[in-house]
Amino acid sequence: NAGVTQTPKFRILKIGQSMTLQCTQDMNHNYMYWYRQDPGMGLKLIYYSVGAGITDKGEVPNGYNVSRSTTEDFPLRLELAAPSQTSVYFCASSSTGTGAFEQYFGPGTRLTVT
Amino acid sequence: QQQVKQSPQSLIVQKGGISIINCAYENTAFDYFPWYQQFPGKGPALLIAIRPDVSEKKEGRFTISFNKSAKQFSLHIMDSQPGDSATYFCAASSGPGEKLTFGTGTRLTIIP
Repeated sequence: NAGVTQTPKFRILKIGQSMTLQCTQDMNHNYMYWYRQDPGMGLKLIYYSVGAGITDKGEVPNGYNVSRSTTEDFPLRLELAAPSQTSVYFCASSSTGTGAFEQYFGPGTRLTVT
Repeated sequence: QQQVKQSPQSLIVQKGGISIINCAYENTAFDYFPWYQQFPGKGPALLIAIRPDVSEKKEGRFTISFNKSAKQFSLHIMDSQPGDSATYFCAASSGPGEKLTFGTGTRLTIIP
């Protein structure tokens, strides 16, 4: 049981390039989330999904896209990377059972855009 | 309305002392208040959480105090240890699976 896994761990992009951050969970959780973490700013929600085929915007969605074709996978796509997207990105998941509040986080992807 | 304000930004405590981190919220629909602990290079992990039907929850050396009328909650770490050195985030949400709104984090350093 690996929990939430993210790839890659690190990536450097040039301005204007695109990439996909991968996220997979093996806990059969319906809810999945993408956050970005910037120094002194806490975690900001980018997108989230309540199940396969359903996604919705979070607080800071501009410049990103997501898809959710399976329960396990929730990739985050960056189109036309900008320096403002330099950040650490975390994927998380949670179940929908009664009282199931906890979000489980992956180890993160550190992205630098230059 | 959705903000969660956290203080202090950084905190240095001597080994064996009490570490206290405070958070305040505005949205009265919030009914779940977790604290997450994050070590360098790792993702956040749930430390302890509270629902508003109780004013305090204790797990080992970690205690959450909750004041519903003041819309404030705090984390107390008793007998703080060097291994507690990490960044702590408070958060709030309005139900299971609902979006978490995070505070800005507190970098805690425990010195010998």
